[in-house]
Amino acid sequence: EAGVAQSPRYKIIEKRQSVAFWCNPISGHATLYWYQQILGQGPKLLIQFQNNGVVDDSQLPKDRFSAERLKGVDSTLKIQPAKLEDSAVYLCASSRRGGENTEAFFGQGTRLTVV
Amino acid sequence: LAKTTQPISMDSYEGQEVNITCSHNNIATNDYITWYQQFPSQGPRFIIQGYKTKVTNEVASLFIPADRKSSTLSLPRVSLSDTAVYYCLVGYMNNNAGNMLTFGGGTRLMVKP
Repeated sequence: EAGVAQSPRYKIIEKRQSVAFWCNPISGHATLYWYQQILGQGPKLLIQFQNNGVVDDSQLPKDRFSAERLKGVDSTLKIQPAKLEDSAVYLCASSRRGGENTEAFFGQGTRLTVV
Repeated sequence: LAKTTQPISMDSYEGQEVNITCSHNNIATNDYITWYQQFPSQGPRFIIQGYKTKVTNEVASLFIPADRKSSTLSLPRVSLSDTAVYYCLVGYMNNNAGNMLTFGGGTRLMVKP
């Protein structure tokens, strides 16, 4: 089974520039998550999709971050404009829809450096 | 979602059993307890999940007392490759919304030779 694919792996941009990250979840997984992980901290949930609908985006800074999941499969996360404090690893994860013992599978993440 | 508290760091030696305890005093009736492991430069990886009593798989055991206000992840005979951050998560499975996964700060386990 192919894992969660993310691209790019690394990105360096200047503050105030825009950036986009792409995620391809495991085939058939209805739930997709985007997390932000700052160095030394646990992952922080930015947004959760169930198919192509948003379940939770309460911690997404909506003035600069946006995310979409077209057709309930791939997803993109965009930052516009970026700030220095956005430097972090952005993790995408997916899981099957609900139920017992449903684990989430994570991609390797995109490391963003804002200079 | 229930808040979790776990030690910031732990040290151990190869071949020892490691027990990491997580407190979740406000766990709800329909919450499950899940543990993830994260190596540097990788995404978290599922280790084990349980609701009550004891769960064991090929990697670890999870002990949950009757009141479910805490849980203990047990790693038997750790090796250097078990050096990682371990996260305890408490959340519920919602068929309409998927699993609610909220990470805390995790426990940084260092296994020494």
